[in-house]
Amino acid sequence: GEDVEQSLFLSVREGDSSVINCTYTDSSSTYLYWYKQEPGAGLQLLTYIFSNMDMKQDQRLTVLLNKKDKHLSLRIADTQTGDSAIYFCAESGEAAGNKLTFGGGTRVLVKP
Amino acid sequence: NAGVMQNPRHLVRRRGQEARLRCSPMKGHSHVYWYRQLPEEGLKFMVYLQKENIIDESGMPKERFSAEFPKEGPSILRIQQVVRGDSAAYFCASSPSGVEAFFGQGTRLTVV
Repeated sequence: GEDVEQSLFLSVREGDSSVINCTYTDSSSTYLYWYKQEPGAGLQLLTYIFSNMDMKQDQRLTVLLNKKDKHLSLRIADTQTGDSAIYFCAESGEAAGNKLTFGGGTRVLVKP
Repeated sequence: NAGVMQNPRHLVRRRGQEARLRCSPMKGHSHVYWYRQLPEEGLKFMVYLQKENIIDESGMPKERFSAEFPKEGPSILRIQQVVRGDSAAYFCASSPSGVEAFFGQGTRLTVV
């Protein structure tokens, strides 16, 4: 079945860039997503990329997709303390009704 | 346009009781998904519904769990005869097309 893997934890200093990595196994993935979850809250859709793209930029966020290696990354420029949260990578495919398969989440801690 | 509304936010049930979780999708969204998040884990797909139809229930436990999305009113996830292992956060997501999914704040179920 599909599998999505992420590293568990990332610590970064305020003002630096953060890079969160994700790998997936399903070669039929159509869309790849990044969600943010703050404590006790739901998931906030940050951005997503169509599988035929290799990069998408949205303000401080840059998504890079290496489809050959099935590797997705999220770069956050000028990381702020408000960026401390758990970040989930997810993939979906039209054949599967666009249901999301999530990674286990990367906990990002931003230190002042 | 209000976001995805879930209620209750917190629900405590004794073992053997029934739990009913409600989800009102965003206006104009006809796709509804339910996910479960166990403590310290990512989200796992449970069921995908469109109005009056279950499209994919491959993630639903075979017994005690059911879901509906009637023509009028919210989507309901129903858990009969709850057990301690059902304690989790249950998230609903809605989508206009199946591509962008927007999540509610979740219902945190505690079984005592």
